[in-house]
This record gives sequence, C-alpha cells and structure tokens, in this order.
Amino acid sequence: EMQLVESGGGMVQPGGSLRLSCVASGFTFSSFSINWVRQAPGKGLEWVSYISSRGSTIHYGDSVKGRFFISRDNADNSLFLQMSSLGVEDTATYYCAIFGPVFVLWGQGTVVTVSS
Amino acid sequence: DIQMTQSPSTLSASVGDRVTITCRASQSIDTWLAWYQQKPGKAPKVLIYKSSNLESGVPSRFSGGASGTEFTLTISSLQPDDFATYYCQQYKSNPYTFGQGTRLEIK
Repeated sequence: EMQLVESGGGMVQPGGSLRLSCVASGFTFSSFSINWVRQAPGKGLEWVSYISSRGSTIHYGDSVKGRFFISRDNADNSLFLQMSSLGVEDTATYYCAIFGPVFVLWGQGTVVTVSS
Repeated sequence: DIQMTQSPSTLSASVGDRVTITCRASQSIDTWLAWYQQKPGKAPKVLIYKSSNLESGVPSRFSGGASGTEFTLTISSLQPDDFATYYCQQYKSNPYTFGQGTRLEIK
C-alpha cells in the first residue's frame, strides 16, 4: 500500500523553528516529485513547497519564501521541511503530497501551532 | 499563477439529488486537475485525479468532467456520507493552486 506519514509537528513560539518529516512507503519514492501543503484552522488548502524527484528543482509559495527550506533523502524515502521565523500565520496542519501522472497521494498531516 | 475559481461556495441538497460542482482555471491546465473531499479534522481524500480518473475505492456515483478550462465534479445520487467540503486543485504548474472549496450541506 502506498503511504506518506508526516511527523515533527508541535507547538512553537513565534520566531521559532521546527523541522517536519514525511516518510514514504509502498512505491519508488525517488521517482516522484513531492510537495508540502498546509491548511490553517477553518481555512482552505494552500500549497507550500515543491521538490523534484532528485531535488534539483525547488519552488516555494510566496508566504514562506526565505523562511522555509524543503529537502529530501531518497535513500531513506524521506522528505523534510525546515521552518524558521515562524509566525502565528503559519499555524496549520501540514501535509506532504504527491501529484503524479498516475496517482495523487496525501499523508494524514502533522499539526503545527505557533503561539506564545 | 493559475487561478482556480470554484463554484458554488455552498450547496444545499438532499439525499438522492444529483449535484455538480464547477472549477474554472484561469489558463489551460490540460487535464491536470484533482478533486478532493474533506471532512472536519480529516485529511483531504482524493476522489478524482487527472480530471476524470476515479480513485480506487471511491464510489462510482462520483465522476469528473472537463471542457477546456472548465472542470466539473458530479455526484449522481447524494448519500448521507457525501455531505462534506470539496476542493479542486490544478497540478499543471507551480504554484499548484486550489479552489476555494464548496461546502455541501443537507437541505
């Protein structure tokens, strides 16, 4: 069964940092680009960041550019999101997701709360 | 950036009704569109990918259609479990963008 499992969420103070992880299983992780998507409480879905299959191409949404850093380790089937200078507006559930040519796959999400 | 305009924002319907949700892209996205169902506190559930491909395990009452830059999600006969929020998303080009969502309510 293809699966994505996120971890690393938690509560952090404004200005703090957090590192999210996403582990893939059930498919050849290194063959696919992958994304982070977030959803603030009671709000819609917002795409956050993209990394290509080998990590050579990266994109960020305007709201996180310069503060978030996406990376991957294909040997460990893992995706990461290093988040810094966090603000209350970054409070959300963060999902890793693959939008592939033959399937779309999401994890169950990890919750990040930025609060003093 | 590609804008996705989803309508209606709220839809009231009854069990057994046929309903259609529409998403319009601001430019061509070919067929790189997905539809999701989301219930409170849960992750989005993939219903349709690549415009019209039904995700495995999703009931056949759900279908996706496309005409140019207009995309539709149709539920042929609403069931009680279908009352939820629905989103469209284009994954033709970054930034991948979502519609604003349609809340499907019981009439």
